This record gives sequence, C-alpha cells and structure tokens, in this order.
Amino acid sequence: EVQLVESGGGLVQPGGSLRLSCAASGFTFSNYWMNWVRQAPGKGLVWVSRIKNDGSFTSYADSVKGRFTISRDNAKNTLYLQMNSLRGEDTSVYYCVRETAEAGAVYFDYWGQGTLVTVSS
Amino acid sequence: DIVMTQSPDSLPVSLGERATINCKSSQSVFHSSYNKNTLAWYQQKPGQPPKLLIYWASTRESGVPDRFSGSGSGTDFTLTISGLQAEDVAVYYCQQYYETPLTFGGGTTVEIK
Repeated sequence: EVQLVESGGGLVQPGGSLRLSCAASGFTFSNYWMNWVRQAPGKGLVWVSRIKNDGSFTSYADSVKGRFTISRDNAKNTLYLQMNSLRGEDTSVYYCVRETAEAGAVYFDYWGQGTLVTVSS
Repeated sequence: DIVMTQSPDSLPVSLGERATINCKSSQSVFHSSYNKNTLAWYQQKPGQPPKLLIYWASTRESGVPDRFSGSGSGTDFTLTISGLQAEDVAVYYCQQYYETPLTFGGGTTVEIK
C-alpha cells in the first residue's frame, strides 16, 4: 500500500524557516517524480514544487522560488521541502504528492494527509 | 500561466440526480505530442486530501465508480456525476498538466439539495 507521511509542520514566525519531510513507503520511491502541493485554510489547491526521480531536476512556483528548496534522499525514501523567509501567505496545509509514472503526464495519483504550516507572530 | 476557471462555485443537487461541473482553461491543454488533453479531476472530502478521479480528461482512475465521467477538449471540460450519492458530497478540482506551473481550478462544492 502506498503511503506518504508528512511531518515537520508547525507554528513559525514571519521570516523564519521550517523543513518538511515526507516518508514514502509501499512503492519504489526512486522511480517517481514527487511534488509538494499546498492548500491555505478554506482555500483551493496550489502547486508548489516538483523534483525528478533522481533529484537532478527541480521546478518551483514563482511564489516560492528562491525561498523554498525541494530535495530527496532516495536511500531513505524521503522527500523534503526546506522553507526559508516564510511569510503569512505561506500558511497552508502542505501535501506530499506522488506524480504518476505515466510518461508525459503530470497528474497526482497519491497524496499524503498533509502537514499544517502556520506563519504568524 | 494557464488559468483554470471552474463553474459553478457551489452546486446543490438532489440525491440520484446529475451533477455537472465545468472547467475552462485560459489556453488549450490539448497536447499534440500525446494526442490527448492534459487535464485531471480530483475529489476532496472534508478533512481529507484530494483523490484522483479522472486523467487525460476522460480516463477514470482505477476504483472510481463509473457514475463519474469526464469529457471535453481544448479549453472546455466537464465532470459529470450521474446519479449523485451522499458520499459524493465534496469539493471537486480540475488541474492542467500541459505545462508548469501546474494549475488547479478554484474548486466546485457539490452538496445535497
């Protein structure tokens, strides 16, 4: 069974940093591109970042570029999101999301339960 | 960026009736390399993460009931729930994967009338 379990969320002051982790199991993690998608309280879904299966390629939403860094450790089956210079508008539930293995397709077939990040003084 | 616009925002439907959700993209999401529309639909129930329903605009994910169907091409797409069940109460999102940034529609809340 595919499982994605996020951790690392919490309350942080504006300008602060946080690192999210996502422990993956039930599939061959190193074969899949992975993503982070966020959702502000009561709002819609927003794609944040994407990383290639071997970690050699990454992409970001403009709203987080230069502040967030996605990375992975395939030996530990873990995805990360380092978030720096946090702002109030970054307050969201952050979902770890697996991208389908189908060539040319970037839709999301498995989602974690999410971890809440609250940026407030 | 490709803007995805869903309508309506809220959709009250009687049990057993049809629910129709629309999604419009600001540019075509038909990918000529795959000869397919790069559009997916998700269902999000309260307190849960989203769940994939449909991809390539009309292909149902394994395990998704056949009362859910997707249609459309180019810039205009529809998710239809034929015979609404109580467990279908949720927010539904469309998503384009034609290009990054990947973008979602604003969501449509389906509720029981």
